[in-house]
Amino acid sequence: EADIYQTPRYLVIGTGKKITLECSQTMGHDKMYWYQQDPGMELHLIHYSYGVNSTEKGDLSSESTVSRIRTEHFPLTLESARPSHTSQYLCASSGSGTVNTEAFFGQGTRLTVV
Amino acid sequence: DAKTTQPNSMESNEEEPVHLPCNHSTISGTDYIHWYRQLPSQGPEYVIHGLTSNVNNRMASLAIAEDRKSSTLILHRATLRDAAVYYCIPSLYNQGGKLIFGQGTELSVKP
Repeated sequence: EADIYQTPRYLVIGTGKKITLECSQTMGHDKMYWYQQDPGMELHLIHYSYGVNSTEKGDLSSESTVSRIRTEHFPLTLESARPSHTSQYLCASSGSGTVNTEAFFGQGTRLTVV
Repeated sequence: DAKTTQPNSMESNEEEPVHLPCNHSTISGTDYIHWYRQLPSQGPEYVIHGLTSNVNNRMASLAIAEDRKSSTLILHRATLRDAAVYYCIPSLYNQGGKLIFGQGTELSVKP
């Protein structure tokens, strides 16, 4: 059973609001990821973290920002939500090394901006 | 990051073996080959990974070509629950490599 949690599961919010999507894992994993996925479409990596205080952009440009102040916590923030941000956001984490490299995914947050 | 080529879709009959191919001709010598799958309305889940030699686990087998330019995920007996999108991902995983998902192969399983 994966110990990675995302909240909220669903969020409907108005244009211009600031939102933070939460992601926490209790496995002590160094690497954490945020992906964006529209229905029936590819998963796109939007943010990646190697460890505390280490973040970088993924292969898809995103207006969101992330922080990694604690190992277990990797929140994603949108300063001003727009309808184009409507999508599903998936968080994942994995260990380092060659053995325990399996990535675990959260349940996702389905965001709707109206 | 290495590019991959997978069939867009494949069909299988229940309880028959399935061979899902992946070409990764630009793979580097230290990239591991990872396979994940995404069931409908769920996040991806890990299937298997390997470097050079073939690998087996309870879910599947991974056959890696000698030149490492291709690999094949083998489901020994497909079940309806195996219907999913399967992703092949080369990644320098042990040195900070990222998991970049491509289009994957959508596998459908017929009863």
